[in-house]
Amino acid sequence: EAGVVQSPRYKIIEKKQPVAFWCNPISGHNTLYWYRQNLGQGPELLIRYENEEAVDDSQLPKDRFSAERLKGVDSTLKIQPAELGDSAVYLCASSFSRDGADGGELFFGEGSRLTVL
Amino acid sequence: AQKVTQAQTEISVVEKEDVTLDCVYETRDTTYYLFWYKQPPSGELVFLIRRNSFDEQNEISGRYSWNFQKSTSSFNFTITASQVVDSAVYFCALSDPYGGSQGNLIFGKGTKLSVKP
Repeated sequence: EAGVVQSPRYKIIEKKQPVAFWCNPISGHNTLYWYRQNLGQGPELLIRYENEEAVDDSQLPKDRFSAERLKGVDSTLKIQPAELGDSAVYLCASSFSRDGADGGELFFGEGSRLTVL
Repeated sequence: AQKVTQAQTEISVVEKEDVTLDCVYETRDTTYYLFWYKQPPSGELVFLIRRNSFDEQNEISGRYSWNFQKSTSSFNFTITASQVVDSAVYFCALSDPYGGSQGNLIFGKGTKLSVKP
């Protein structure tokens, strides 16, 4: 079974440039997450989707970050314009949640490492 | 507010030594899940275990064992007879399956384990 696929693995851009990350979750997983992991820290949730609906985006900096999950499968996370402080690893994860509850295992991709110069 | 504390930033052991990684959590919820994830240098977070708040039985899986104690809000992880392949960053995490941020994993800062031959 294929795992969570993310691209690109690495991206280096100059500040004020736009950047986009793509995620393909595990087939059949209805819940998709984007996490950000700063150096030496644990991941922090940016946004969570149930199918195509964003059900928790309270931690997403909406002035420069946007995300979409068309057709409830793949997802794209965009930053425009990028700032120096956005340098981090952006992790995508997916899970199967049932009956409005969760607590199941999250499967993570390898992440997209962003460096903003 | 929910919080996970991993007080040990880095641990270094010699192969075949036993090592315990500490995890202390804070939550007001009565129903919650606790997790351990392993993050090798490749960056992908690998699921190790999930425990729900009503199950305080300790668990053993090969060289891995977990000690869950609600009285001290701790969920410690022990590796017996450590091996070089155990070298990674280990994260403890907490989630509330029914709350407003259901499915959101709250991670600790991680403990970097180095096992030397």
